[in-house]
Amino acid sequence: GAGVSQSPSNKVTEKGKDVELRCDPISGHTALYWYRQSLGQGLEFLIYFQGNSAPDKSGLPSDRFSAERTGGSVSTLTIQRTQQEDSAVYLCASSSTRDTYWTGELFFGEGSRLTVL
Amino acid sequence: QKEVEQNSGPLSVPEGAIASLNCTYSDRGSQSFFWYRQYSGKSPELIMFIYSNGDKEDGRFTAQLNKASQYVSLLIRDSQPSDSATYLCAVNLSSGSARQLTFGSGTQLTVLP
Repeated sequence: GAGVSQSPSNKVTEKGKDVELRCDPISGHTALYWYRQSLGQGLEFLIYFQGNSAPDKSGLPSDRFSAERTGGSVSTLTIQRTQQEDSAVYLCASSSTRDTYWTGELFFGEGSRLTVL
Repeated sequence: QKEVEQNSGPLSVPEGAIASLNCTYSDRGSQSFFWYRQYSGKSPELIMFIYSNGDKEDGRFTAQLNKASQYVSLLIRDSQPSDSATYLCAVNLSSGSARQLTFGSGTQLTVLP
């Protein structure tokens, strides 16, 4: 596709349930990022995948959060045993890092809005 | 102390005025700095990046960087109502992965007609 695609766009779940959020990055982009944004807040970094390197998981808030990226393309963010404080918009972004001169341009998807009741 | 700090605002300026948005960062080794704009209900988009001390101009936007003071700002000249948005400062921290951005909490700007 032309842009970063995320699904579902909206997810309402009950506390304690597991959820999976999907991201399909721009074709050819080697870097993929997950951020989350709570209401009225900035972007909180979660995890970063770069090519075949080990992901930077330093932003994951707890061991209930995990993410994988299969075949260097599609990524899934999984939240186990969801809590109300997990409610946020989860944004995926991709970037082309082949250029030596990096402009820092992350292309964001429209986000997945998660509501935990 | 947050790694990237911005005044949350809201900041209101009249149409045609200069809007000044400020950002400070804690990691003195950081080398690259970015300004993203986020319209309400939309995803962020890059508007400026700056790597060197001094000013960088792009149309009505000017990014200013002072590494000694660990300060980066964004000036919007001749502000228009369409500039009303949240502006996010982002830094590629030296303590982070290469090409991973840490964002501030954003400054909400309203340009009044």
